[in-house]
Amino acid sequence: GAVVSQHPSWVICKSGTSVKIECRSLDFQATTMFWYRQFPKQSLMLMATSNEGSKATYEQGVEKDKFLINHASLTLSTLTVTSAHPEDSSFYICSARSERGETQYFGPGTRLLVL
Amino acid sequence: GQQVMQIPQYQHVQEGEDFTTYCNSSTTLSNIQWYKQRPGGHPVFLIQLVKSGEVKKQKRLTFQFGEAKKNSSLHITATQTTDVGTYFCAGRGTGFQKLVFGTGTRLLVSP
Repeated sequence: GAVVSQHPSWVICKSGTSVKIECRSLDFQATTMFWYRQFPKQSLMLMATSNEGSKATYEQGVEKDKFLINHASLTLSTLTVTSAHPEDSSFYICSARSERGETQYFGPGTRLLVL
Repeated sequence: GQQVMQIPQYQHVQEGEDFTTYCNSSTTLSNIQWYKQRPGGHPVFLIQLVKSGEVKKQKRLTFQFGEAKKNSSLHITATQTTDVGTYFCAGRGTGFQKLVFGTGTRLLVSP
């Protein structure tokens, strides 16, 4: 199956700093990438959908200035958590979908801990 | 908006017992997908169902899509300790909409 990577796999940072998470599709062109957030023992909540070359579409309640998404190429999307606070600590997972595919391939996730 | 609920939230079984999780959507789905997430891991795609009433099998796992395309089930026959994890259904509404994840069912299997 298709491979999606995420970097870093985990990060610990101080409150107030910004953290960038990269999501790459390694063997296919991802016209659409999705960013999810998962709290412990809860389901995946879609944060935003990004299409290559255009602005991301954010879900209700997700601050676009807080969670900056850039989908600059067909293989790379980035999520930047700006001025992170402890409540932003979570498991962030990206997934990618090709232009004609309905299957979403998930990355391994990034665990963020904000102290 | 579209909501996808799963029951039970949690089930603890003895190895060898069967297990079923049920998934219900508030709206009609164009397709439904199932994922397994091991503790500490990320969701791994298991299967996709598209047709009304569709039944698919993967070894000991049986997936079913309801006739009305609003519900689905995953049945595991003779569970093994390797089946431990959280099982999520994820439904996509008509018109190629976003994938909405269910609330998940956490399965624990004791040897």
